[in-house]
Amino acid sequence: QVHLVQSGAEVERPGASVKVSCKASGYTFTKDFMHWVRQAPGQGLEWMGLINPGNGDTMYARSLQGRLTMTRDTSTSTFYMELSSLTSEDTAVYYCARRYCSNGVCVYGGDAFDIWGQGTVVTVSS
Amino acid sequence: QSVLTQSSSVSGAPGQRVTISCTGSNSNIGAGYPVHWYRQLPGTAPKLLIYGTTNRPSGVPDRFSGSNSGTSASLAITGLQAEDEADYYCQSFDSSLTAYVFGTGTKVTVL
Repeated sequence: QVHLVQSGAEVERPGASVKVSCKASGYTFTKDFMHWVRQAPGQGLEWMGLINPGNGDTMYARSLQGRLTMTRDTSTSTFYMELSSLTSEDTAVYYCARRYCSNGVCVYGGDAFDIWGQGTVVTVSS
Repeated sequence: QSVLTQSSSVSGAPGQRVTISCTGSNSNIGAGYPVHWYRQLPGTAPKLLIYGTTNRPSGVPDRFSGSNSGTSASLAITGLQAEDEADYYCQSFDSSLTAYVFGTGTKVTVL
């Protein structure tokens, strides 16, 4: 059974950085892109970016470029999302979500997200 | 603000049919990128309901169906049940932003 298990809640000061992990199990780690999505309190879902676990290539939302870094560790089947220069507007629940391709065929821009982590609450407060 | 616009809320009595719309543009839905739909219960992660605009993952009842037309897509729920009370989001890709995008979200209330 496929599982994504995320690290625990974090409280950070403005200006600091946070690193959230997402450990994958139950499938071939390098097979599927991993996306990160966040949700501010009472707000909608915001796509942050994705990483190709096979080669480490990334694609980030323009609004977060320069502050966001996604990495992976193939030896432990773990993905990481690090966000720097935090402000109160980064307070949110952060999710990792596995790519799902229609009929097993993956095309650019076609990703859905079929398996989600449980979410990690990140609070930015002085 | 999202490039995919949804009605903020819809409601219906048990057993009724409700439809949620997702309005985009020629750089996302209108460009042929597939639309996917998610249901999110309070305090939980979203769950995939519809992928590739019209397809249901295994385990999702056929009460849920998706469609699209031009620059818009829709999710229909028939035989509305109390457990359907949740937030629903559409999702696609935008070529102008070079990014995956979510709709603004719709709250479904079962009367």
